[in-house]
Amino acid sequence: SQTIHQWPATLVQPVGSPLSLECTVEGTSNPNLYWYRQAAGRGLQLLFYSVGIGQISSEVPQNLSASRPQDRQFILSSKKLLLSDSGFYLCAWSLIGPYEQYFGPGTRLTVT
Amino acid sequence: GENVEQHPSTLSVQEGDSAVIKCTYSDSASNYFPWYKQELGKGPQLIIDIRSNVGEKKDQRIAVTLNKTAKHFSLHITETQPEDSAVYFCAASGNTGFQKLVFGTGTRLLVSP
Repeated sequence: SQTIHQWPATLVQPVGSPLSLECTVEGTSNPNLYWYRQAAGRGLQLLFYSVGIGQISSEVPQNLSASRPQDRQFILSSKKLLLSDSGFYLCAWSLIGPYEQYFGPGTRLTVT
Repeated sequence: GENVEQHPSTLSVQEGDSAVIKCTYSDSASNYFPWYKQELGKGPQLIIDIRSNVGEKKDQRIAVTLNKTAKHFSLHITETQPEDSAVYFCAASGNTGFQKLVFGTGTRLLVSP
């Protein structure tokens, strides 16, 4: 069966510091991968998606970037965090096509 | 682009009652409608979904209905239990090679014993 991992689970970072969140998927090949952000008490906002290694599409202009160095690895980064980057970051995967999308456990990021 | 509206934002029911959450979407080309349950501090969990060639789908105590003409779909939970308490999100997606989900703003369901 497929499993999706995210780490770290929680992170507290000062403003201006760099960020690296990692997501890996097991048990499938060539998945679509997604990064979402969820503000407190809000819905899910799609940040990036990837249909293959090195292929990244951005949905919202922001202080963040994403990379996909391996088929089942998706990384969310920032060079300098802003207070507004605080939130719950979720990685998700799906098979190619109109198939179900599955979420990871999330990373709670607090920028102080 | 697609826009999904979800109501109510909060819903309180007694254990054993039914709960209904409603969503409307704007893009008539959307053809996939999943529902997610999110417990506190966890990632959303897919609980049921429906595609546009089906009007209703049921899985034990949960069911989803879809009205393509009116562009709305609903989640029905029967015989609610305290463990059903969570935030529920609806979403809609078009039929493209890449599946982009647009989410509603969520409904906080509280089931009281």
